[in-house]
Amino acid sequence: NAGVTQTPKFQVLKTGQSMTLQCAQDMNHEYMSWYRQDPGMGLRLIHYSVGAGITDQGEVPNGYNVSRSTTEDFPLRLLSAAPSQTSVYFCASSYSIRENTEAFFGQGTRLTVV
Amino acid sequence: GQSLEQPSEVTAVEGAIVQINCTYQTSGFYGLSWYQQHDGGAPTFLSYNGLDGLEETGRFSSFLSRSDSYGYLLLQELQMKDSASYFCAVRDDRTGFQKLVFGTGTRLLVSP
Repeated sequence: NAGVTQTPKFQVLKTGQSMTLQCAQDMNHEYMSWYRQDPGMGLRLIHYSVGAGITDQGEVPNGYNVSRSTTEDFPLRLLSAAPSQTSVYFCASSYSIRENTEAFFGQGTRLTVV
Repeated sequence: GQSLEQPSEVTAVEGAIVQINCTYQTSGFYGLSWYQQHDGGAPTFLSYNGLDGLEETGRFSSFLSRSDSYGYLLLQELQMKDSASYFCAVRDDRTGFQKLVFGTGTRLLVSP
C-alpha cells in the first residue's frame, strides 16, 4: 500500500540551484496537486493536474513548474531556488476532484534554501 | 477568489467537546472538507459535507450551512491524541477545473 510517495524527504539547496521534487501515486488517481506549508500559512496550492497532460496554476505558482506525462507521476521543479522557497512541500492525489472527496497526501519534502 | 477563515488555536481538556468553525468565501462552491494534521505528519482526511446538515463519523461530526457560507467540525470525548491542526478546505471552480483550497488551520491543544 504505497499510496502517495514523495522523494526526497529532506533537501538543502543553495540559492540559484534547481531541483525536482518527485511525487508518484499508485492508486490510478486523476487529480494530483502540490502544496507548500509555511508556519501560520496553512497549505497553499502551487500547481495541480486533472489528468495526464493537463495542469493549471494554483495560488502560489511563481518559481515552480510542473508537468504530468503519466497518470502516476507529478514532479515539481524549482527553476532557481530562493530562500523564500524554504518550506514543507506536500503532494496530494484523489480519484476524481468531482466525485471523490478524499485527498491522499504524501509524507512531505522538507526543503531548505540557503 | 476564495478565502477560508478559522480560529488559529483552540484549547480544551480531555473528555470535553470542542467546535472548530470555518467560514468561507468562494466562487463556485462544491463542498467543505476537513483534514487533520499531527506535528511533522501529513494531512489526513476526516470528513466531507456536500450538502447542508450534519455528517457524523464516530467522535467527529461536521456541519455545513451553504446559505451562511459556514461549517464546523465537532470533536467529542476529546483524547490527548486529538491534539493536532485541523484544516477546512473547499473545492473551488474558477477556471473550469475544481481545486482543493485549504484554510490556515486551527491548532487544537488537548490537556489532561
